[in-house]
Amino acid sequence: GAGVSQSPSNKVTEKGKDVELRCDPISGHTALYWYRQSLGQGLEFLIYFQGNSAPDKSGLPSDRFSAERTGGSVSTLTIQRTQQEDSAVYLCASSLGTGVEQFFGPGTRLTVL
Amino acid sequence: AQKVTQAQTEISVVEKEDVTLDCVYETRDTTYYLFWYKQPPSGELVFLIRRNSFDEQNEISGRYSWNFQKSTSSFNFTITASQVVDSAVYFCALSEAQDFNKFYFGSGTKLNVKP
Repeated sequence: GAGVSQSPSNKVTEKGKDVELRCDPISGHTALYWYRQSLGQGLEFLIYFQGNSAPDKSGLPSDRFSAERTGGSVSTLTIQRTQQEDSAVYLCASSLGTGVEQFFGPGTRLTVL
Repeated sequence: AQKVTQAQTEISVVEKEDVTLDCVYETRDTTYYLFWYKQPPSGELVFLIRRNSFDEQNEISGRYSWNFQKSTSSFNFTITASQVVDSAVYFCALSEAQDFNKFYFGSGTKLNVKP
């Protein structure tokens, strides 16, 4: 079966531009998560969506970051007015419920010049 | 404060050696889950194990084994007879009853297995 997919796999942008990163979770998974992984670092939680509940945005580093999940499936992470410190790999994961294993996508490597 | 600490940044071993990756966690919840993930050079995280706080039995899966000790808040991972394909970054993670959706990841341990 299909795993979590993310697009694009790589994105190079100029400082100040907006970017959109997409995540397609595993079909039937109710929860979707976004993480950021800077070079050589661990995973930093950004946001999660669980079913029809309001998303937990507590990990978003600034108001330049936002995310949506349409129809309980695909999610888009938007970064406005990108900064060089936004350069990282953005990972998406999905799970069947809470407290169970999360399945990760391959990530989007974002480079802000 | 870090909820999950992986003090070993990088470990290098020679093939066939045994290696233990340490994970120490911190939580006030009595109900929680612990996880290990592997991130090979290709980059995609692979789930290895989930353990709940009420089950302290050690687990073995092939060459992998996990030692969960609540008394020391540790959940260590041992690879027996390591192989080159084990080379990866390994992450330990914690999920608490406060919000099981939030995973707290350690900073990872990079394992290099040399032939």
